[in-house]
Amino acid sequence: QKEVEQNSGPLSVPEGAIASLNCTYSDRGSQSFFWYRQYSGKSPELIMSIYSNGDKEDGRFTAQLNKASQYVSLLIRDSQPSDSATYLCAVNNQAGTALIFGKGTTLSVSS
Amino acid sequence: DTGVSQDPRHKITKRGQNVTFRCDPISEHNRLYWYRQTLGQGPEFLTYFQNEAQLEKSRLLSDRFSAERPKGSFSTLEIQRTEQGDSAMYLCASSLLASFNEQFFGPGTRLTVL
Repeated sequence: QKEVEQNSGPLSVPEGAIASLNCTYSDRGSQSFFWYRQYSGKSPELIMSIYSNGDKEDGRFTAQLNKASQYVSLLIRDSQPSDSATYLCAVNNQAGTALIFGKGTTLSVSS
Repeated sequence: DTGVSQDPRHKITKRGQNVTFRCDPISEHNRLYWYRQTLGQGPEFLTYFQNEAQLEKSRLLSDRFSAERPKGSFSTLEIQRTEQGDSAMYLCASSLLASFNEQFFGPGTRLTVL
């Protein structure tokens, strides 16, 4: 059973702080890794994708990948109340087709 | 708007009825996926099409579920003899074959089975 694990939270941070979200996965054959943001009652929105070890930055978001440790993380700098949402980690299956999702981490940013 | 669209957005039905959902992917995307999401869980993969061919189905997709993608454009997901356990958000996503499988989701269809 291929799994993606995330802490469910809630993770609470003050406005302007750095939020750190973590994810581990079980399938060593996975090659593509994604972070989605999901507001309550809405569908998932792709915010970051990462394919090789190291860091990838996009605006206030940084994704980090360590394939040896089977670990993916998302850092959100200068957190805003509008960042309050559930963040879903997703990993491609070995065939590169289906995404396997974690249950998500709920982030709450207080002003 | 060139994103993924789904119809209807909400569906309330009685147990035992059949329902059909439609998904229109981003126009140049040749891959289309169906997922199901229940409260507190991440989306779970149901099935996947590349163009008009259905190439993968999850064991979650029981015999009561059928999906089609005629002509490789829009897709439909039909649930026959609905059960209360089918209540969920049904999500459609699409991707380009050569895009490392970045999947973009539609707004979803929320199904409530009474």
